Amino acid sequence: AQSVSQHNHHVILSEAASLELGCNYSYGGTVNLFWYVQYPGQHLQLLLKYFSGDPLVKGIKGFEAEFIKSKFSFNLRKPSVQWSDTAEYFCAVITNTNAGKSTFGDGTTLTVKP
Amino acid sequence: DAGITQSPRYKITETGRQVTLMCHQTWSHSYMFWYRQDLGHGLRLIYYSAAADITDKGEVPDGYVVSRSKTENFPLTLESATRSQTSVYFCASSSATRLAEVSYEQYFGPGTRLTVT
Repeated sequence: AQSVSQHNHHVILSEAASLELGCNYSYGGTVNLFWYVQYPGQHLQLLLKYFSGDPLVKGIKGFEAEFIKSKFSFNLRKPSVQWSDTAEYFCAVITNTNAGKSTFGDGTTLTVKP
Repeated sequence: DAGITQSPRYKITETGRQVTLMCHQTWSHSYMFWYRQDLGHGLRLIYYSAAADITDKGEVPDGYVVSRSKTENFPLTLESATRSQTSVYFCASSSATRLAEVSYEQYFGPGTRLTVT
């Protein structure tokens, strides 16, 4: 079965710092990858997704992620974080064998200090 | 444009009682999912459904029952609630299942915070 690892459990940054959150998955076949964000007290919403094509995908609010197939990674980046980016971030993967189910990582809590 | 709704938003129940959490989506999405979110465990899939009358177990199905008689509804029942089922429960839906299709990101409901005393 596939799995998703998010190595950073809690990240604390100051405003304007650069962000990179790690995401690795274990599956050798075709994958589709997602990053979801959950702001405090809210439900999860899609930040960005990768299906095929350009491995560098851009999402909302200045976030981007790069799919590196050889490293089984899909790291999330933002050049300059804001206080409003404080949230929990989840990486998820769908494979061609799991019948539409997403496998989620455990999440990374990002705290941005003003 | 209601999207996906869950009810109740908050529920306190006693150990041993049966409780049902409701989920309703207005998009006619084929797939629906139930997750629980616990500190330190992220999101864990309880059950999912590929279509009306088709359901399957997820990662943590024990103690839960689902049904899907209509495409738009996917209720989750705790048959005999236990304290370990205290959690935040999220329902989600997805419009497609195959990798060739464009949009099968999941859309999440607002969650139900359940406390079992």
